[in-house]
Amino acid sequence: EAQVTQNPRYLITVTGKKLTVTCSQNMNHEYMSWYRQDPGLGLRQIYYSMNVEVTDKGDVPEGYKVSRKEKRNFPLILESPSPNQTSLYFCASSPSRGVLGDTQYFGPGTRLTVL
Amino acid sequence: GENVEQHPSTLSVQEGDSAVIKCTYSDSASNYFPWYKQELGKGPQLIIDIRSNVGEKKDQRIAVTLNKTAKHFSLHITETQPEDSAVYFCAATGGGGADGLTFGKGTHLIIQP
Repeated sequence: EAQVTQNPRYLITVTGKKLTVTCSQNMNHEYMSWYRQDPGLGLRQIYYSMNVEVTDKGDVPEGYKVSRKEKRNFPLILESPSPNQTSLYFCASSPSRGVLGDTQYFGPGTRLTVL
Repeated sequence: GENVEQHPSTLSVQEGDSAVIKCTYSDSASNYFPWYKQELGKGPQLIIDIRSNVGEKKDQRIAVTLNKTAKHFSLHITETQPEDSAVYFCAATGGGGADGLTFGKGTHLIIQP
């Protein structure tokens, strides 16, 4: 089954404790992206990757890191989480970047709480 | 960059009636406009999309219209059913940039029985 998976689905942590949210897709997609979803603000892009070893900042990259060492995986890293990073996070992938009109497939989401 | 405005933020309609959600965008170079449906506890899923060379597209009870001159596009759902209750997001491409989609803030559609 074609899908995007994220782990963990729920995470409660404390300020300053490094964490990684994993994302994996089995569709051989080139483009992957991370979004955060906050009430009243919709979906905002954090980082994206157009291919292996190619990553770039989205609209709200501060406090986040990503890596793309393999085509299928695109982990999101919070080196020193803070309470304002409490949010619902979505990973997405598509055959190519959105400007070419490709559908983005979203993962199920990771609800992160930083105390 | 692109800016997408979506209205209304909440829409309540009686079952069987029609629902319309409207979006405007700022970048005249944008050429792809998808609509996503997000059910509770799930990630957004594409329900319909339209490209800039088309004015209208229909898929059963769902239709999307695009007015490039006015830079706005709309989602129309006819004969609404309880399973249509969800949050709907419009989006637009970033135009000439390397980034992906810019999303509206979402519309919570409530279907009243």
